[in-house]
Amino acid sequence: EIVLTQSPGTLSLSPGERATLSCRASQSVYSNFLAWYQQKPGQAPRLLIFGASSRATGIPDRFSGSGSGTDFTLTISRLEPEDFAVYYCQQYGSSPEKFGQGTKVEV
Amino acid sequence: EVQLVQSGAEVKKPGESLKISCKGSGYSFTKNWIGWVRQMPGKGLEWMGIIYPGDSDTRYSPSFQGQVTISADKSINTAYLQWSSLKASDTAMYYCARHQRYGSGGYFDYWGQGTLVTVSS
Repeated sequence: EIVLTQSPGTLSLSPGERATLSCRASQSVYSNFLAWYQQKPGQAPRLLIFGASSRATGIPDRFSGSGSGTDFTLTISRLEPEDFAVYYCQQYGSSPEKFGQGTKVEV
Repeated sequence: EVQLVQSGAEVKKPGESLKISCKGSGYSFTKNWIGWVRQMPGKGLEWMGIIYPGDSDTRYSPSFQGQVTISADKSINTAYLQWSSLKASDTAMYYCARHQRYGSGGYFDYWGQGTLVTVSS
């Protein structure tokens, strides 16, 4: 079973700054099958990135995903006020599929 | 437009049974997997299981196998999550989501609005 560890737990930044979120897997993620989601308070999660680096439909290009093997990164190039939220990674390369514990991006 | 609409909030007592629903529209319901994700109060996301409505092929996370039952009625484009005997620890928000499958796994690309289940005596 692959365990995903996200860091940091909380990221305190200001609008306009760059955010770098990490997701580390305990084993290599098959075919880089890793997704990122955003969740705002009181809302359902939203898919941002799949396949480690492909943006989902309608996702602004300030969001980018990178990485391979066991180390993956979500980068938000310039934080907008609506980007302050919790972000989760998920591996789907092997069973059981699991989410990381989340990173909160706060002002 | 892909939409997943879930049934409303529920308040139940320990030991009671419950079945919540998720109705899909705007896509081919029978040709896409659909899954359930739990979020306990103040906590993260937990992958529970998925079902292929076309033939009811179902996969469960080991953590949820035997604890819940996932089913679907393809005639009405609806997936279900049910419990036979609720516990207080089942109190959570439950999301359904369309599961885009690649090989043995997949990601969730469209989500329902969530169903809050509260279990309290």
